[in-house]
Amino acid sequence: RKEVEQDPGPFNVPEGATVAFNCTYSNSASQSFFWYRQDCRKEPKLLMSVYSSGNEDGRFTAQLNRASQYISLLIRDSKLSDSATYLCVVTLSNAGNMLTFGGGTRLMVKP
Amino acid sequence: DAGITQSPRYKITETGRQVTLMCHQTWSHSYMFWYRQDLGHGLRLIYYSAAADITDKGEVPDGYVVSRSKTENFPLTLESATRSQTSVYFCASNTGTGGYTFGSGTRLTVV
Repeated sequence: RKEVEQDPGPFNVPEGATVAFNCTYSNSASQSFFWYRQDCRKEPKLLMSVYSSGNEDGRFTAQLNRASQYISLLIRDSKLSDSATYLCVVTLSNAGNMLTFGGGTRLMVKP
Repeated sequence: DAGITQSPRYKITETGRQVTLMCHQTWSHSYMFWYRQDLGHGLRLIYYSAAADITDKGEVPDGYVVSRSKTENFPLTLESATRSQTSVYFCASNTGTGGYTFGSGTRLTVV
C-alpha cells in the first residue's frame, strides 16, 4: 500500500463548478500536511498547508481528518487556470523533514 | 537572483557516461533534496541533506551519488547512467519545517 494515495483522475469539470479531491495517508503518526500544484511537469508549487481545524485561501479550502487519515481539497468556482495536477503531501513522524508525495490528481477545467 | 536554480534544464547522455546535475540555492536553507519524477511513480526521493557535509539516502538512491561541501550547492551525480534513469529531476530546499521550494527541474534522457 502506498503511503499517500490519491485518485489520479482526471476530473473534468466545467468552469464555475465546485470540485473536491481526497487523499488518504497510511501512517497515523504523520505530522504535517500540504497540497501542492503542478503544471505540465513543471516544478511543484506549494498551494496551501493543511491544518487540523481546516483552512481556507480564497476559493480553496483544505480539511484534515486525523481519525480517518484523509485530507481534502475543495475548489469553488473553478477557473480554466485551475487545470493542473494537485499533489497531496505529508511528513512522516519518523522521517524528519522529508515530504512524501501522493501520485497526484489531475484536474481539467473546461469552458 | 534569489531562489533555487537547477542546471542544465535539458540533458541527453549516453548509457554508461557520468553526468552531474547541479542545484544551487541562495537562501542558506539547511535542507536540500533531490527527487525524480516518472509517469506512474510520482515524485520519489533520491537523496537529501540536512546540512553541509551531511547527506542521507532516500527511497531510490541506487546509481546516484551526492555531495554537499557548501550549504548552497547540492549536486547529484549519476556515476554510470542507465536508460532507467531517464526522468525529470527536481531539487528542493527548505529551512527544516514547512513545505519545500523546488527548482525548475532537469529533464534527463539516457540513450
